Amino acid sequence: QKEVEQNSGPLSVPEGAIASLNCTYSDRGSQSFFWYRQYSGKSPELIMFIYSNGDKEDGRFTAQLNKASQYVSLLIRDSQPSDSATYLCAVKSSGSARQLTFGSGTQLTVLP
Amino acid sequence: KAGVTQTPRYLIKTRGQQVTLSCSPISGHRSVSWYQQTPGQGLQFLFEYFSETQRNKGNFPGRFSGRQFSNSRSEMNVSTLELGDSALYLCASFDSYNEQFFGPGTRLTVL
Repeated sequence: QKEVEQNSGPLSVPEGAIASLNCTYSDRGSQSFFWYRQYSGKSPELIMFIYSNGDKEDGRFTAQLNKASQYVSLLIRDSQPSDSATYLCAVKSSGSARQLTFGSGTQLTVLP
Repeated sequence: KAGVTQTPRYLIKTRGQQVTLSCSPISGHRSVSWYQQTPGQGLQFLFEYFSETQRNKGNFPGRFSGRQFSNSRSEMNVSTLELGDSALYLCASFDSYNEQFFGPGTRLTVL
């Protein structure tokens, strides 16, 4: 069973809209949650991380975490065509090991 | 600071050969992890090294191995290559807050 699930997409939004990307995880002991953006042919780039329940904002990006529901999301406000990429949700479980478990990614296309 | 560097960027090998990939973490980072990315399986964890010690290993056969040197540089080796080993191999290094930064990757093609 996949431990980190993302809405499979692809997801298309018009330029200027809000893109909502969702992720659920199965390990209740998970401590840290990361969102990466990956452009085609490139390596993943860290966008945001969140450790505590609630919202965390960074520019146009907002990460939301609900540990009780085992749910983490990423909102992208004022979406731009340059935001078109695959977004990967990653989860770090409890313990000292720094292994991340990744979801399969959601492909986002922002239409001009 | 320079980012994570990986060499080579591209490799073409044939079945049965072996390959060694290299990774230099961000200066000051002591942890390195390796991941394999394929279209079918996504990003999968291979192993993690900290201070020259393997701390964690993913569910990969013994043909996949790695090591870390005293300067934190890491290598991974794949022996007896199979067609299914064709993938993007990513190295990541960690800062003290567990934020993981990826290198550009090595794209391995096995023919």
